[in-house]
Amino acid sequence: EAGVVQSPRYKIIEKKQPVAFWCNPISGHNTLYWYRQNLGQGPELLIRYENEEAVDDSQLPKDRFSAERLKGVDSTLKIQPAELGDSAVYLCASSLGPGANVLTFGAGSRLTVL
Amino acid sequence: GQSLEQPSEVTAVEGAIVQINCTYQTSGFYGLSWYQQHDGGAPTFLSYNGLDGLEETGRFSSFLSRSDSYGYLLLQELQMKDSASYFCAVRDNTGANNLFFGTGTRLTVIP
Repeated sequence: EAGVVQSPRYKIIEKKQPVAFWCNPISGHNTLYWYRQNLGQGPELLIRYENEEAVDDSQLPKDRFSAERLKGVDSTLKIQPAELGDSAVYLCASSLGPGANVLTFGAGSRLTVL
Repeated sequence: GQSLEQPSEVTAVEGAIVQINCTYQTSGFYGLSWYQQHDGGAPTFLSYNGLDGLEETGRFSSFLSRSDSYGYLLLQELQMKDSASYFCAVRDNTGANNLFFGTGTRLTVIP
């Protein structure tokens, strides 16, 4: 079975440009997370979905970040416009439920903003 | 809120044993998890401690003391492939129930 699939793996853009990341979670995993990981740091939660509902987006910078999870499966994270400080790895993870102890992460999308 | 403290770097010799400590402060507590991440790779789940004591999974063991807000990951018979970053994480039980990660410990295994 395929794990959590993310694309693109790498993206380089100029500041003020838009960028989007896509995530396909493990089949049957109702809970989906987007994390951001800066170099040398641990992952930081941006948003959590239960099926198609965003149940915790308190850490998402809503002025420039948006996310959606249509039909409760795939999810897209968008940044518009990107800033230099957005350079990071954006990790998607999924789990069976909100209280699950095991999160399965994708390999991430590494964003570089020039 | 939550805070987690781990050593930033640890170096150990192949075949040896290494312990990575984690102390935490959280307004609610619902278990301590450990994840491994190789450079450029995905964090992968290693272990979970919900109760005090030692959990063993092959060469890896994890320990929790809730009274001390402390846990550790023990890696035995170190192999070169164990060189990676290791993150402890806590799940708060204040309602958000999210997983909060520490800053990670970079383990380097040398021959």
